[in-house]
Amino acid sequence: AQSVSQHNHHVILSEAASLELGCNYSYGGTVNLFWYVQYPGQHLQLLLKYFSGDPLVKGIKGFEAEFIKSKFSFNLRKPSVQWSDTAEYFCAVIKDTDKLIFGTGTRLQVFP
Amino acid sequence: DAGVTQSPTHLIKTRGQQVTLRCSPKSGHDTVSWYQQALGQGPQFIFQYYEEEERQRGNFPDRFSGHQFPNYSSELNVNALLLGDSALYLCASTLGGSGDEQFFGPGTRLTVL
Repeated sequence: AQSVSQHNHHVILSEAASLELGCNYSYGGTVNLFWYVQYPGQHLQLLLKYFSGDPLVKGIKGFEAEFIKSKFSFNLRKPSVQWSDTAEYFCAVIKDTDKLIFGTGTRLQVFP
Repeated sequence: DAGVTQSPTHLIKTRGQQVTLRCSPKSGHDTVSWYQQALGQGPQFIFQYYEEEERQRGNFPDRFSGHQFPNYSSELNVNALLLGDSALYLCASTLGGSGDEQFFGPGTRLTVL
C-alpha cells in the first residue's frame, strides 16, 4: 500500500548534537513533501516544504531537508539541536490532491 | 488575522452518542480537511470539503460525516460513537487545488467512555 514511513519512532539527543530524521514515501510520480512539527501542547505547524527545484530546502529554526528522488526520501536535518526542539515531527506527502498523508511521527527529546 | 480555530477544545461523550465538532478556516482559505490523530500516531485523513461538497474521503465509515457552510466553516459529525473514536480531531485549511501548505487548528480532544 502507498504510504509514508518514518523509521525513527523515538530519538533522544543532547543539546548541540546533530539530528537526522528519516522519511520515505512509496508514491510514484510528482509529489509535494512536507515536514510538520508539533511542540508539546501546540498545534501542528509547518517546518518546511518541497515542491520542485533545489532538492535541499531550508525551513524555520535552522531545519533543512533533502529530497532524493531515486531513494523516495525526504530526510530532515539540523546541525545542532536545542532543548526547545523537543517535539513530535511528522513527514507528510501530497500527491495529486490536497489530501495530506502523514507518517507515524518521530518523537524527539533533547536534553540540556 | 485569525488562523484556523476549532471548538470545543475538549469533549467527553459516552458510547452510542453523537458529536459535532466545528472549524473555522484561516482567512482566505476555501478548503477544509479533517484528520483524526490517535495517541502516538500521525494524523489520518477523514475527508475534505470544497465549495460545500465533500471532495474526497479517507478510509472512515459513514458514521463520520461533515458539512461546509457558505462562509467555508465546517462541521464534523460522528454518530454512534465507539471507544475507538477517542482521539484528537484536527481541522486544516488551504486554498483549494494548490497542493500547498495546510494550516492546522489546535484540535478537539474527544474522549469516548
